Amino acid sequence: AQSVSQHNHHVILSEAASLELGCNYSYGGTVNLFWYVQYPGQHLQLLLKYFSGDPLVKGIKGFEAEFIKSKFSFNLRKPSVQWSDTAEYFCAVIGSGNTGKLIFGQGTTLQVKP
Amino acid sequence: DAGVTQSPTHLIKTRGQQVTLRCSPKSGHDTVSWYQQALGQGPQFIFQYYEEEERQRGNFPDRFSGHQFPNYSSELNVNALLLGDSALYLCASSGRGFSYEQYFGPGTRLTVT
Repeated sequence: AQSVSQHNHHVILSEAASLELGCNYSYGGTVNLFWYVQYPGQHLQLLLKYFSGDPLVKGIKGFEAEFIKSKFSFNLRKPSVQWSDTAEYFCAVIGSGNTGKLIFGQGTTLQVKP
Repeated sequence: DAGVTQSPTHLIKTRGQQVTLRCSPKSGHDTVSWYQQALGQGPQFIFQYYEEEERQRGNFPDRFSGHQFPNYSSELNVNALLLGDSALYLCASSGRGFSYEQYFGPGTRLTVT
């Protein structure tokens, strides 16, 4: 079955700490990968995406993610978090050729302490 | 440039009732997808509409139905509401024809009592 697994459900960091959120997927075929972020009181926003090419992708607000095909992983990273990064983060996958069904992980709540 | 809009923001219904949720896509988008997000979970795909037809459907019962209008706006209907239908319902729109990027609206919070 197609699925996305996010290993960390709740992460607490101090400002300036480095962040890495894990994401693994199970999908039989070529995929497109996304990280979405939901800030408190706001709607889901696209943080970054991977379709093809360079497996290291950069998104908004200093976030980046690396696609490792052999590990079926797409981990999100940021070298130095800020208080404003406090949010819920969702990893999602969609099969190439399929424009409909985004499959989401259950999310990781990130709390950054000032 | 208006993003995806949804109405109403909140809704309280009783078991067995029916509900209709509405979505207007982002300007220039013609495809609308609906998701259900239960508390503490990631969104789950309900279905997608393109050219006024259901293009793809997730694992949801027939109580969940939808419609897309010629102006690309969409409705999600849920019949015979169950307590378990309480969730945040998200609408997402994507660009013309074939596009992987989906832009989400703020959602409608449905509570079934």
